[in-house]
Amino acid sequence: KQEVTQIPAALSVPEGENLVLNCSFTDSAIYNLQWFRQDPGKGLTSLLLIQSSQREQTSGRLNASLDKSSGRSTLYIAASQPGDSATYLCAVRDTGFQKLVFGTGTRLLVSP
Amino acid sequence: EPEVTQTPSHQVTQMGQEVILRCVPISNHLYFYWYRQILGQKVEFLVSFYNNEISEKSEIFDDQFSVERPDGSNFTLKIRSTKLEDSAMYFCASSVRVGLAGVETQYFGPGTRLLVL
Repeated sequence: KQEVTQIPAALSVPEGENLVLNCSFTDSAIYNLQWFRQDPGKGLTSLLLIQSSQREQTSGRLNASLDKSSGRSTLYIAASQPGDSATYLCAVRDTGFQKLVFGTGTRLLVSP
Repeated sequence: EPEVTQTPSHQVTQMGQEVILRCVPISNHLYFYWYRQILGQKVEFLVSFYNNEISEKSEIFDDQFSVERPDGSNFTLKIRSTKLEDSAMYFCASSVRVGLAGVETQYFGPGTRLLVL
């Protein structure tokens, strides 16, 4: 059974810092991995999707990497801003399945 | 930009009552999903739906739950007899298979917060 873990659970940084969020999964037979942002009481906004054959994806100040063999993904946020404050969720889709399996998230606070 | 919409945003119901949560997926999407998030817990998969039938479901999705696509635009989740533990945020999502590689970003709606008293 796939298990997804995110470290750290919470992170507080000053504005302008570069930061890395970590995601690990127990079964490497994944089809893809998706990073989401969730604002308090709100829905999930898709940030990046990485296919199992890819090593990384970039969108603006965000860069996500994937090391399938070691069961890890990282989300790198460059030059953080207060507007980046949210919970970031990692979710994997296993090969042969449609469902996403979510991690518990990292709650990020960027202070001005 | 097209988005998934859900109604209502909040629903309060009495235990044992039936509720229907509604979703309008993105118009050219073919795959539809329901997930839920109990307060403070992980987002959990409930069911996926393709070509007018359930394609995958979790152990949470028991006989109390059903899904339907009553017309060309709506996708509904029905809970027949609600329990206290059904209180959660329910998210609808949709995706479209893109190309031969089957890339499928799942796009989520804003959620319906269900409170069972």
